[in-house]
Amino acid sequence: DSGVTQTPKHLITATGQRVTLRCSPRSGDLSVYWYQQSLDQGLQFLIQYYNGEERAKGNILERFSAQQFPDLHSELNLSSLELGDSALYFCASSVDRENTEAFFGQGTRLTVV
Amino acid sequence: QQQVKQSPQSLIVQKGGISIINCAYENTAFDYFPWYQQFPGKGPALLIAIRPDVSEKKEGRFTISFNKSAKQFSLHIMDSQPGDSATYFCAARSKWFGKGTLLTVNP
Repeated sequence: DSGVTQTPKHLITATGQRVTLRCSPRSGDLSVYWYQQSLDQGLQFLIQYYNGEERAKGNILERFSAQQFPDLHSELNLSSLELGDSALYFCASSVDRENTEAFFGQGTRLTVV
Repeated sequence: QQQVKQSPQSLIVQKGGISIINCAYENTAFDYFPWYQQFPGKGPALLIAIRPDVSEKKEGRFTISFNKSAKQFSLHIMDSQPGDSATYFCAARSKWFGKGTLLTVNP
């Protein structure tokens, strides 16, 4: 158990809808990272927050957004969902801002139908 | 554009054998190279990592070899065990990931 908690574990929704994924980092970690994992694209870095501020941006679509709250938990919002957004979404955390090593949660499996 | 290229896509090894997974990168600014291990239904877990100023790093049965001039690095798993069967990812920082190698160790 990495200490990173993600909810929900599974999510099924229809095209065009909006969902929110939630992440609680390890105790003491200030950085939160979001990733998307799919069979064709592999593991893709989406975005990093450090202590409430956006730190780095990866391949995140404009329909997706994230934020980190004062208590350091983070949410990833996915809107106008498409079939191709079906994937595993991972949250990870680390104590520093350098994106060297990350501790991953168990993921949220999103299915868009 | 794939920043980190990983091969092979899949690998089958007999118990007790050596598993070797290779990765290559282009950006010489990359300065930290972790390897992650992922079991089905779980998130990736950090296995071992190396910086480019070190040519080799060993932790138990896992060894990273690093060739800075060739911009290549590899993971060697000695005395491979069925419990090592998983997907392995190389990465540059925890930002640019290879596509993964599915390792199967037969008993």
